[in-house]
Amino acid sequence: SQKIEQNSEALNIQEGKTATLTCNYTNYSPAYLQWYRQDPGRGPVFLLLIRENEKEKRKERLKVTFDTTLKQSLFHITASQPADSATYLCALSREGGFQKLVFGTGTRLLVSP
Amino acid sequence: DTGVSQNPRHKITKRGQNVTFRCDPISEHNRLYWYRQTLGQGPEFLTYFQNEAQLEKSRLLSDRFSAERPKGSFSTLEIQRTEQGDSAMYLCASSSLAPTDTQYFGPGTRLTVL
Repeated sequence: SQKIEQNSEALNIQEGKTATLTCNYTNYSPAYLQWYRQDPGRGPVFLLLIRENEKEKRKERLKVTFDTTLKQSLFHITASQPADSATYLCALSREGGFQKLVFGTGTRLLVSP
Repeated sequence: DTGVSQNPRHKITKRGQNVTFRCDPISEHNRLYWYRQTLGQGPEFLTYFQNEAQLEKSRLLSDRFSAERPKGSFSTLEIQRTEQGDSAMYLCASSSLAPTDTQYFGPGTRLTVL
């Protein structure tokens, strides 16, 4: 069955450093991969979408890479800030029709001052 | 605010009772989704509407669950004869018809079944 793995352990980093989160998947051929941010008690908030034929996408301090050979995406936050502390979810979807998102379990990021 | 809203935000019920949640999507969005999220997990897809038509249901959605979107605007999710395993956050999201359009999530309804 399809599986999406994100590091279940929290990632602790110092303010100003780059945070790198990993999303690995198996038994799935996504057309799109998305990253969401979720704060406690709130719904996920969309951050970035990358297509299967794209290697890298950037938005402000965020960068996503997508390697369909390794079946892996890396999510980077540069110059991290305490306000970046949250859980980050990756989500996959296939081509065509509506987007039924298949989410990973999320990785909690803690940025300390 | 024109975001997705959900009511109630919290619901505590006893096992065996019926509960109903409401989702009001962003007004111009044709697509509406329901997801369920348990502690420490990512959201899991439950069902999808395009306008008023329910086009897909997950096998997670047992016979005790029913969802409607009668006029293609707000949606309701009803759980009959609740069980303790139904305790979770129920999330609603909406999007436009564009293939890669962002899904905008509501704040969720947290259900606790005692």
